Parts: sequence; structure tokens; C-alpha cells
Amino acid sequence: EPEVTQTPSHQVTQMGQEVILRCVPISNHLYFYWYRQILGQKVEFLVSFYNNEISEKSEIFDDQFSVERPDGSNFTLKIRSTKLEDSAMYFCASSRGLAGSYEQYFGPGTRLTVT
Amino acid sequence: AQSVTQPDIHITVSEGASLELRCNYSYGATPYLFWYVQSPGQGLQLLLKYFSGDTLVQGIKGFEAEFKRSQSSFNLRKPSVHWSDAAEYFCAVEPFNAGNMLTFGGGTRLMVKP
Repeated sequence: EPEVTQTPSHQVTQMGQEVILRCVPISNHLYFYWYRQILGQKVEFLVSFYNNEISEKSEIFDDQFSVERPDGSNFTLKIRSTKLEDSAMYFCASSRGLAGSYEQYFGPGTRLTVT
Repeated sequence: AQSVTQPDIHITVSEGASLELRCNYSYGATPYLFWYVQSPGQGLQLLLKYFSGDTLVQGIKGFEAEFKRSQSSFNLRKPSVHWSDAAEYFCAVEPFNAGNMLTFGGGTRLMVKP
């Protein structure tokens, strides 16, 4: 069964450093998403991406964040200058169509620790 | 304000007992409704979803959920819990015609006693 994969599973970085989290969505999916879950808190939507553009973003997704689909398979989330409060589990998801009619499939997550 | 509430942070049930996990939402119109499960070290797996129609929906692993418009609820049920059901369960909503972002509840951690 096709699945969303994410690398790395755990990333440790120092405050102020740039990190890139990588995701490989399911191959015939067209919509891509990033969510995050700070320890002990809710899963929060960050951004959705379709047709090489951001389609929705939350207030969390400020100028420090960017997303990219650099090739036909990868979908990345970049945090330009990490802060301690960026420490969280980051989930990538993909769907074949607009969620609501099509479910979002989630990857296993990347745990980001900022020290 | 729009919100999703899962009132129970932790629930412990005995194996073989029935289970009900509560979810309430606060939105102007009925949103799309989902239940996801997260096992340790795993991603979020969709158990079931409600878009329209029959208010009792069946999902995977023997789970079902009932949408009650009058109570703004979408509670998850299972008649007989197995030890492998121990996990964290998340209710999520997607507002109708309001973008494709999911809003999650805080989650309910289920423990199963032998």
C-alpha cells in the first residue's frame, strides 16, 4: 500500500540554524500539507500546497517557513532560522484531491529538536 | 470561535469492553469530520470520515462513529476493545468550503488493561 515517507525521523539542530524536512508524498496525489505537533499540544495545520503554489497557510507559517516541491517526488519544509519553540513533530500529508472529498494520508513525522 | 474538543485526555478500558471516545465541534455549518489514530512512533492513520448521508459511519479496525447534528458531536465507538487498540485518537474537522486544512482536537490517549 502506498504511503507517505518522511526523512529524517529525528533532527537535532542549534537555534538559528536552517533545517529542511523532507517528505515523499504518495505518487498520484496532488495536494500536499505540513502539520506540526508541539509536545503535549494539538496537531496544528501549517500549510497546504497545490500546483506548485501555497493554497492555504496558517498564522504559524510565517516568513521563517517555506515549502517547495523541488522535483516530481519530494516536498520539503524549510525553517530558515530555527527557534527553540520550533521544536515539535512535523507531519507531512498528501491527498489526491481537496480534503473533505479526499482523505489526507499522513507520514510518520520528523521530530525536530532545537537546542 | 471555531474549535474541536475531545473532553477526555486519558481513558482506560479493559480488553473486551466497549469504548466510546467523545468529540464535539463548534462551527457555523456542519464540517467534514474525521477520526485518526496514532500509535507510538507512527503517523496518523485515518479510521473513518463523515461527509454527508448516513450519520453512522463504519471505519477500519471495527470502529464506528455517529454524527449527531443536534449535539455537534461525532463520537467514536468500538463494541469490544483489543489490546492493540491502545493508541492516541484524534478527532479532526474540515470546515465545509473553507479550505483544505484539518483542525484537530487535543487527542484522547487510550490504555487497554488485560
